Amino acid sequence: GNSVTQMEGPVTLSEEAFLTINCTYTATGYPSLFWYVQYPGEGLQLLLKATKADDKGSNKGFEATYRKETTSFHLEKGSVQVSDSAVYFCALSSRGGADGLTFGKGTHLIIQP
Amino acid sequence: DTAVSQTPKYLVTQMGNDKSIKCEQNLGHDTMYWYKQDSKKFLKIMFSYNNKELIINETVPNRFSPKSPDKAHLNLHINSLELGDSAVYFCASSQFSGGARETQYFGPGTRLLVL
Repeated sequence: GNSVTQMEGPVTLSEEAFLTINCTYTATGYPSLFWYVQYPGEGLQLLLKATKADDKGSNKGFEATYRKETTSFHLEKGSVQVSDSAVYFCALSSRGGADGLTFGKGTHLIIQP
Repeated sequence: DTAVSQTPKYLVTQMGNDKSIKCEQNLGHDTMYWYKQDSKKFLKIMFSYNNKELIINETVPNRFSPKSPDKAHLNLHINSLELGDSAVYFCASSQFSGGARETQYFGPGTRLLVL
């Protein structure tokens, strides 16, 4: 079956530090890959996505590249801000999404001023 | 303006009660979902409906019954609530196009606490 593995936190960084959150996946076929973000007390917001190999998703300074050879979709940001503090979820969708999204366990990111 | 909305936002109830959570989307999507987020933040699909028809039913106790009166609504009814049902329940929607379901958009969640 499908699965997503991401580094578990909390991950604590100083403002303006470089961020990497690792995500690897197992899936049949060619899944679409997503990063969602959950701010405290809120629902999930789509951060970025990629639907095929070598695609790069980007939004708000965050980037992730769909690497089929390493089955990875690592999230990166060059300079984090306090406002980036949240829980980040890596997820995949296969079979056209008929199975719903399979999520990783989430990474709690804490940015200190 | 709200794309996917859920009511209520908070729900506190006693064990054994029956409760419902409502979800509505105004995005014109044809597929809606229910997810459960446990206390460790882990998210798991529960149900998926496409054009009012059930297409996913994960291993969820039959005390949980989704109902979709139309494409824009997917409600979740829970009978005989148990302590382990305490969680955050998220509704989501997406559109099937070109052979694939597009990005899922999530509601704000309903925080259920069973005492």
